[in-house]
Amino acid sequence: GAVVSQHPSWVICKSGTSVKIECRSLDFQATTMFWYRQFPKQSLMLMATSNEGSKATYEQGVEKDKFLINHASLTLSTLTVTSAHPEDSSFYICSAYSYEQYFGPGTRLTVT
Amino acid sequence: QKEVEQDPGPLSVPEGAIVSLNCTYSNSAFQYFMWYRQYSRKGPELLMYTYSSGNKEDGRFTAQVDKSSKYISLFIRDSQPSDSATYLCAMIPNDYKLSFGAGTTVTVRA
Repeated sequence: GAVVSQHPSWVICKSGTSVKIECRSLDFQATTMFWYRQFPKQSLMLMATSNEGSKATYEQGVEKDKFLINHASLTLSTLTVTSAHPEDSSFYICSAYSYEQYFGPGTRLTVT
Repeated sequence: QKEVEQDPGPLSVPEGAIVSLNCTYSNSAFQYFMWYRQYSRKGPELLMYTYSSGNKEDGRFTAQVDKSSKYISLFIRDSQPSDSATYLCAMIPNDYKLSFGAGTTVTVRA
């Protein structure tokens, strides 16, 4: 089946620094990828839709200047959390769309 | 009001019992309905996918959709400890942006 990877799986950073998370579709091409955020014991909240070669579409309430999304190729999308703060600590999950959404294993971000 | 309502539980059942999960929704535009399973600190994996009212079976799993009542269900027969996870319902209208329920945490006791 289709496999989506994320890197890193867990990252700890200091407040004020930036963190980049990669999402790769390993055995298929995805023109569309999605980024979600999930807080403990809560559901996945869609942050943005990423289309290859164009600007991402952000959901209401998501700061586009804080969460930079780049979809440079059909197999790679990146999410950069800029000037991270403790409230950005969360589980970030990407998915790649090819007739259905295939989810990555998630990246746990802890901002100290 | 959330578009998709799901009781977060937790739900604890003995091994071999039937697990019953459900979601309600308010958006009549939802056409496709999914159930995902998510183990702790992992991404969700698709369990069942339906697009019409009625029942769909896959092994020990049965998904039900009642569009007239805007109600969907997932049943797990002969539950096993390995079924312990969070189960999320999700649905989409005509595009592919998923709307998720809150997820129900299920524990199957050996």
